[in-house]
Amino acid sequence: NAGVTQTPKFRVLKTGQSMTLLCAQDMNHEYMYWYRQDPGMGLRLIHYSVGEGTTAKGEVPDGYNVSRLKKQNFLLGLESAAPSQTSVYFCASVGNLNQPQHFGDGTRLSIL
Amino acid sequence: AQSVTQPDIHITVSEGASLELRCNYSYGATPYLFWYVQSPGQGLQLLLKYFSGDTLVQGIKGFEAEFKRSQSSFNLRKPSVHWSDAAEYFCAVNNNAGNMLTFGGGTRLMVKP
Repeated sequence: NAGVTQTPKFRVLKTGQSMTLLCAQDMNHEYMYWYRQDPGMGLRLIHYSVGEGTTAKGEVPDGYNVSRLKKQNFLLGLESAAPSQTSVYFCASVGNLNQPQHFGDGTRLSIL
Repeated sequence: AQSVTQPDIHITVSEGASLELRCNYSYGATPYLFWYVQSPGQGLQLLLKYFSGDTLVQGIKGFEAEFKRSQSSFNLRKPSVHWSDAAEYFCAVNNNAGNMLTFGGGTRLMVKP
């Protein structure tokens, strides 16, 4: 049982480049989330999805876009990467409200 | 808006000593509360959760936490710390709508031999 899988695990980008982070879950969960983790700030919610075909903004959505075309996948896109987006990105999913979220191992992204 | 505060950024304890990590939350309704642990380079693992009922909850790895509504706190405790407990610990509150979590800034625990 793989749970939540994030790809890639590491990436270095130049300012202005674009990329997509993939999150895949095999638990048939309805809800999926993208967070960023920065030192001393815990995890902050970027975007989330409450079901296939839906997305919504979280606390820090600027500079990111997301898509949920398939229930098992939640993609996070950076159209024009900026150094301020250097961070560790975590994906999470959950099946039912008020249950604990399951987290992936993270993607470490550096933007030069 | 909900918020979570973990007042201690770093804590160092000796192996075998007791541990208490503090968490204070701000939320208008009955909160759903969580403690997660993160080892270096890893994702977050759930230690325990509080939804309702008994205010003292037991978790994995010998951890427990007590919900105190009057103090808006959900402190994490362990009677005897092991070297393998060195990690970063996050407290989080659920907003009961869309199942969105708000995290505290984390407490990094170091364990001295």
